[in-house]
Amino acid sequence: GAGVSQSPSNKVTEKGKDVELRCDPISGHTALYWYRQRLGQGLEFLIYFQGNSAPDKSGLPSDRFSAERTGESVSTLTIQRTQQEDSAVYLCASSFRGTSYYNEQFFGPGTRLTVL
Amino acid sequence: GQQVMQIPQYQHVQEGEDFTTYCNSSTTLSNIQWYKQRPGGHPVFLIQLVKSGEVKKQKRLTFQFGEAKKNSSLHITATQTTDVGTYFCAVSAGSARQLTFGSGTQLTVLP
Repeated sequence: GAGVSQSPSNKVTEKGKDVELRCDPISGHTALYWYRQRLGQGLEFLIYFQGNSAPDKSGLPSDRFSAERTGESVSTLTIQRTQQEDSAVYLCASSFRGTSYYNEQFFGPGTRLTVL
Repeated sequence: GQQVMQIPQYQHVQEGEDFTTYCNSSTTLSNIQWYKQRPGGHPVFLIQLVKSGEVKKQKRLTFQFGEAKKNSSLHITATQTTDVGTYFCAVSAGSARQLTFGSGTQLTVLP
């Protein structure tokens, strides 16, 4: 079956412009996560959606970052007024949250964002 | 938020040597997951540990969860060049709804 897909795979933008990144999770997965990974670094949690619950936005680094999810499907991560320090790979992951413990997260290929 | 330390940050080994990475937390964990990220790729789930003292094996990989549920290790026996990549632990504690990833151990295997 299809895995997690993300688009675009690469995005080059100019400082100050807005960008929108898209994630299509695996069908049936109720949980969706966004992470940021700078070159050679670990994964930095950004935001978490679980079903119809209020999202956990505790990892968003500033109010320039926002994300939405339509039901249990597509999610978009928006970065407004991009800065050079926003350059990174943005990874989306989904999981089936069926128990009190976390199930494995399936990652998409990521969107590599370069801010000039 | 949850703090987790992963060591070492980098490890170079000769093919055939063993490798171990450690994940340490100051708080008791609910569970821990391990992921592998190949160069240029995305993280791929390896295993989840939830029980105190739990040990799981996958071929040459051995995963262990500490008795106090505050640390974990991943051990690879007789490394191969296909083991190259960065190994991340990811932890959750209490009622936390999201995982916190360690900074990863980047493994290089020299042929």
